Amino acid sequence: DAGVTQSPTHLIKTRGQQVTLRCSPKSGHDTVSWYQQALGQGPQFIFQYYEEEERQRGNFPDRFSGHQFPNYSSELNVNALLLGDSALYLCASSLVQDYGYTFGSGTRLTVV
Amino acid sequence: GDSVTQMEGPVTLSEEAFLTINCTYTATGYPSLFWYVQYPGEGLQLLLKATKADDKGSNKGFEATYRKETTSFHLEKGSVQVSDSAVYFCALSDRGNQGGKLIFGQGTELSVKP
Repeated sequence: DAGVTQSPTHLIKTRGQQVTLRCSPKSGHDTVSWYQQALGQGPQFIFQYYEEEERQRGNFPDRFSGHQFPNYSSELNVNALLLGDSALYLCASSLVQDYGYTFGSGTRLTVV
Repeated sequence: GDSVTQMEGPVTLSEEAFLTINCTYTATGYPSLFWYVQYPGEGLQLLLKATKADDKGSNKGFEATYRKETTSFHLEKGSVQVSDSAVYFCALSDRGNQGGKLIFGQGTELSVKP
């Protein structure tokens, strides 16, 4: 049974560019959450999607947006990249009524 | 808002030593508490969880007890191995007030020497 799959694994972008990160949830899960983990820090919640709607959002600017597709997969988009956006981006899937979060291995984004 | 505070690392131990990583939390509701582990270059893996006061979570020799009176969820293991070297994150989720998002501590790096 495949877990959470994220792509790409690594990415290098230039300041001002836009980036799209992708996540396929664990089979049977219907909810996808995104987290940003800066080097040496704990993950910070960006937002959560359920039934193709943003269910909750953390303290991130509007440059961060997302989408969930009918097959429950999800995308995270970041516009106008800043150097400070360099981080590991983690996707976690779950069932909306459960605490059983499964994390992917993440996408390492470097902004230069 | 809700928050989690962990003891600072890195923590360096010899193999078979006793491990304690302290975690305290602040929450307005009745959160569930978690310990996650992150090995180098990987995502987070759930180590154990407790959903109500006095619950004890356990897995792979690790234990943590949900202490409401001291707002703590300290991680313990009686005898660590080199393979336990990783970063450990304490987290809470208050589904009633937070919609289920996880709030993490800053992480504690553990290094176990042979």
